[in-house]
Amino acid sequence: QKEVEQNSGPLSVPEGAIASLNCTYSDRVSQSFFWYRQYSGKSPELIMSIYSNGDKEDGRFTAQLNKASQYVSLLIRDSQPSDSATYLCAVAREAGTALIFGKGTTLSVSS
Amino acid sequence: GAVVSQHPSRVICKSGTSVKIECRSLDFQATTMFWYRQFPKQSLMLMATSNEGSKATYEQGVEKDKFLINHASLTLSTLTVTSAHPEDSSFYICSARDPSGQPQHFGDGTRLSIL
Repeated sequence: QKEVEQNSGPLSVPEGAIASLNCTYSDRVSQSFFWYRQYSGKSPELIMSIYSNGDKEDGRFTAQLNKASQYVSLLIRDSQPSDSATYLCAVAREAGTALIFGKGTTLSVSS
Repeated sequence: GAVVSQHPSRVICKSGTSVKIECRSLDFQATTMFWYRQFPKQSLMLMATSNEGSKATYEQGVEKDKFLINHASLTLSTLTVTSAHPEDSSFYICSARDPSGQPQHFGDGTRLSIL
């Protein structure tokens, strides 16, 4: 059974703080990992993709992947109220194949 | 950038009605599209994989006779919810596989409400 696990939250952080979101997956052969942001009633929006072990930074966002531990995380630096949303971790066996989503972590950034 | 267009954005109809949802890739050819469903406060669940020119592949538990998928061209896939009932009310989202291998592009979703 392929699964992607996330803490549902809510995760509450003050504006300007670092938000840390975590995800574990069960399918060891997974090769592609994604973080999506979803606002209420909207479609998911891609934040980060990561394919190899280590860190990948893009602006205020850093994705971290550890395939040995089957763990992927997302750090959001200098959190803003506009970052308040549900963050979905998604995993695929390879790029372009169907995504398996976690249930999402709700992030609330207070001003 | 690449865009996936989904239509309609919202449908409200009576029980027993069939509803068609369209998913179009606007600036690339998508040989594969995916249909997901999301119930309130739940995550996206893959319903089926739509392949151009061939039958769709359905996930376990998804009734292929109820959720008809047609992918007749490289830019259009349709999902028809036949004889919809209140329990089919959900947020339906499509995504398209970019041939360059980039992450999937999602449509804006269709919120279906069956009365």
